[in-house]
Amino acid sequence: DADVTQTPRNRITKTGKRIMLECSQTKGHDRMYWYRQDPGLGLRLIYYSFDVKDINKGEISDGYSVSRQAQAKFSLSLESAIPNQTALYFCATSDSTANYGYTFGSGTRLTVV
Amino acid sequence: AQSVTQPDIHITVSEGASLELRCNYSYGATPYLFWYVQSPGQGLQLLLKYFSGDTLVQGIKGFEAEFKRSQSSFNLRKPSVHWSDAAEYFCAVGALSGGFKTIFGAGTRLFVKA
Repeated sequence: DADVTQTPRNRITKTGKRIMLECSQTKGHDRMYWYRQDPGLGLRLIYYSFDVKDINKGEISDGYSVSRQAQAKFSLSLESAIPNQTALYFCATSDSTANYGYTFGSGTRLTVV
Repeated sequence: AQSVTQPDIHITVSEGASLELRCNYSYGATPYLFWYVQSPGQGLQLLLKYFSGDTLVQGIKGFEAEFKRSQSSFNLRKPSVHWSDAAEYFCAVGALSGGFKTIFGAGTRLFVKA
């Protein structure tokens, strides 16, 4: 099994629908992150969590919310999806120092029509 | 705040040729620097990292990178490219401020021609 698992891998949804992307990890890491990737823009941080009770907004959090259900689980929700949220979404984890870089999931490709 | 610039959106090299991908960063203190690779349909994989010490760091898959403080650069190199190196490469900088967040560059897509 992968260290960081994201579900679903692909999703098409309609404008206005609520959707949840899930992430689970077996690394035992405290820190988890959600990024979105858009062509030419690299990865931009949506939310991050340093432990179950510590959740922080990233640079593009508007329109998104998160839940850290356990150390191993970090979900991202789009309350009312809009087309410009069409992107590739990545979950990542790191230890408390982040000195060893991030471990990424394989991504969720979300299309909002 | 830290930032990362990858000046080249895409690069094409011939198989067997050498490769250098450019990365410039902006950060007020000594940064934590990373290179990641993303193969099609995959997440990002860490190639190498620099925190301190020897400015030439070795990574996986035969890659290396050199930290040059005077130029605020952390360029990725490989002496001989293989077709399997075709991918997108991301430079990233981490900073301790704000509890350590990592900022990624926009990426450079590498094409390898036979």
